[in-house]
Amino acid sequence: EIQLVESGGGLVQPGGSLRLSCTVSGFTFSDYWMQWVRQSPGKGLVWVSRLNGDGSSTSYADSVKGRFTISRDNAKNTLYLQMNSLRDEDTAVYYCGRGCFSNSGGCVGSWGQGTLVTVSS
Amino acid sequence: DIQMTQSPSSLSASVGDRVTITCRASQSIRSYLNWYQQKPGKAPNLLIWTTSNLQSGVPSRFSGSGSGTDFTLTISSVQPEDSATYYCQQSYSTPITFGQGTRLEIK
Repeated sequence: EIQLVESGGGLVQPGGSLRLSCTVSGFTFSDYWMQWVRQSPGKGLVWVSRLNGDGSSTSYADSVKGRFTISRDNAKNTLYLQMNSLRDEDTAVYYCGRGCFSNSGGCVGSWGQGTLVTVSS
Repeated sequence: DIQMTQSPSSLSASVGDRVTITCRASQSIRSYLNWYQQKPGKAPNLLIWTTSNLQSGVPSRFSGSGSGTDFTLTISSVQPEDSATYYCQQSYSTPITFGQGTRLEIK
């Protein structure tokens, strides 16, 4: 069974940092692109970032570029999102997702349950 | 960035109705269009990938079509469990973008 479990969310002050983790099981982690997608309360889905299987190719939404860093540890089956210089507008549920197919960086075929990040003073 | 526009933003349907949701891209995305269903408090769930491919385990009443800039998601006979918000997503180029969502209410 494919499982993705996010952790690391919480309350942080504006300007602060947080690192999210997504630990996976049930598939060969290194074969898949991984993504982060967020959803602000009551709003729609917004793509944040993606990373290929060996970590050599990354992409970011303009709104987080230069502040967020996506990475992975294939030995630990874990995806990360380092979030720095956090702003109020970064408040959201953050979902990690696995590409639909191996070597596919587009659609998200499996999702975690999400972790809530609240940026507030 | 490629903008994705869904219509309608919300709709109400009766059980057994045929429902169509439209998604328009601001430029051609070929067939790189995916559809997701999201229920309140839950993660999204992939329904259709690359325009018309039904994800494993998704009921056959869901179907997708289109190409280029115009795409549709059709539910042939709506069921009570289809009450949810539906999102299209283009995966043709980064930044990947989603439509704003269509909320489906079952009467």
